[in-house]
Amino acid sequence: DGGITQSPKYLFRKEGQNVTLSCEQNLNHDAMYWYRQDPGQGLRLIYYSQIVNDFQKGDIAEGYSVSREKKESFPLTVTSAQKNPTAFYLCASMPGSLYGYTFGSGTRLTVV
Amino acid sequence: AQTVTQSQPEMSVQEAETVTLSCTYDTSESDYYLFWYKQPPSRQMILVIRQEAYKQQNATENRFSVNFQKAAKSFSLKISDSQLGDAAMYFCAYRSYNRGSQGNLIFGKGTKLSVKP
Repeated sequence: DGGITQSPKYLFRKEGQNVTLSCEQNLNHDAMYWYRQDPGQGLRLIYYSQIVNDFQKGDIAEGYSVSREKKESFPLTVTSAQKNPTAFYLCASMPGSLYGYTFGSGTRLTVV
Repeated sequence: AQTVTQSQPEMSVQEAETVTLSCTYDTSESDYYLFWYKQPPSRQMILVIRQEAYKQQNATENRFSVNFQKAAKSFSLKISDSQLGDAAMYFCAYRSYNRGSQGNLIFGKGTKLSVKP
């Protein structure tokens, strides 16, 4: 079945560490997105990519980095510069034209 | 910039009854899309219903329907015959039709719906 796979489901980060969240899709969607979800804050856009080898900053990109070397993959790195990384992270993809997103099942990141 | 407001942080409904979740948005655009997403305790985001702004007819999907009032910039979700499985966070989202927006969805902060047996 086609879909979006995020891994790991739970991730723990020590202070000063970089961690990478995986997002893979087999839907052949052009666009991919990373959102951060905090209680009472809704979903906030971190980064997005419309095509391979191109990506754009969203509203809260500071402390994060991404790459898009393959259409299927859009990993998110949470760097040590992100001061409050504890949150739920959602990856999504969308066909090149219309409609809404298809979401992954998310990764819960906790700083220990 | 567009904004989406969900004024009800929490709602409650009795099983089999009807509930309406409110959403308003602010935009200067005339063409756009509106969505309702459901996030159950599993935290998987599920698309519930979609509305194109150029369509006057309100979208429906089984027990879910919307009341789209373009002039008032209102997009409420009605859930009929509520079921225990409807308990979830519900997010309203806006997407510009403008290519320059890159297709990004703008989300409200969500409404937590509880269903009482």
